[in-house]
Amino acid sequence: NAGVTQTPKFQVLKTGQSMTLQCAQDMNHEYMSWYRQDPGMGLRLIHYSVGAGITDQGEVPNGYNVSRSTTEDFPLRLLSAAPSQTSVYFCASSYSSAAQQFFGPGTRLTVL
Amino acid sequence: EDQVTQSPEALRLQEGESSSLNCSYTVSGLRGLFWYRQDPGKGPEFLFTLYSAGEEKEKERLKATLTKKESFLHITAPKPEDSATYLCAVHEETSGSRLTFGEGTQLTVNP
Repeated sequence: NAGVTQTPKFQVLKTGQSMTLQCAQDMNHEYMSWYRQDPGMGLRLIHYSVGAGITDQGEVPNGYNVSRSTTEDFPLRLLSAAPSQTSVYFCASSYSSAAQQFFGPGTRLTVL
Repeated sequence: EDQVTQSPEALRLQEGESSSLNCSYTVSGLRGLFWYRQDPGKGPEFLFTLYSAGEEKEKERLKATLTKKESFLHITAPKPEDSATYLCAVHEETSGSRLTFGEGTQLTVNP
């Protein structure tokens, strides 16, 4: 099993550009989530999904969109990138919300 | 609002010098407390889940304990390869599917 994979590993955007961060898991997990990690602020939940077709907002959802058309994939879309979205983004999955989460390797995003 | 506070922010130990990391939390009903290890440039790696006060779990040099207000991660005779950031997270009864993470403790073990 590859576990949780994320692409790209690094990305530089200009303010106003849009992009999609990809996340896939091959463990047949129902629960998937996106976090951002910033120095001094820990991991903060952006959006999460409890199954295909079901998504909900986390702590810091503004400026991000998600969809969950399949169990395996959970892409995160930045609609109009801003410097405040410079961060490291982690995708995670688990078989339920109460179970341990498996994290991907992260995407380091810089918005100029 | 859920609060998860980890202390200290950073800890520097000599190889073999045992110590403990703290995670204190204020939630109305705890469903689970998780410990993760994070190496630089990588995603968090799961260590333990604790569900009720009095519970303890061990893995190699690490032992996690839980009370009604806090959790400790005890590190016995640490080695340089234990150097990492240790994160705790809580799953609270009324938070649905959300985990709330602390900011982490950065541990450095010198040889």
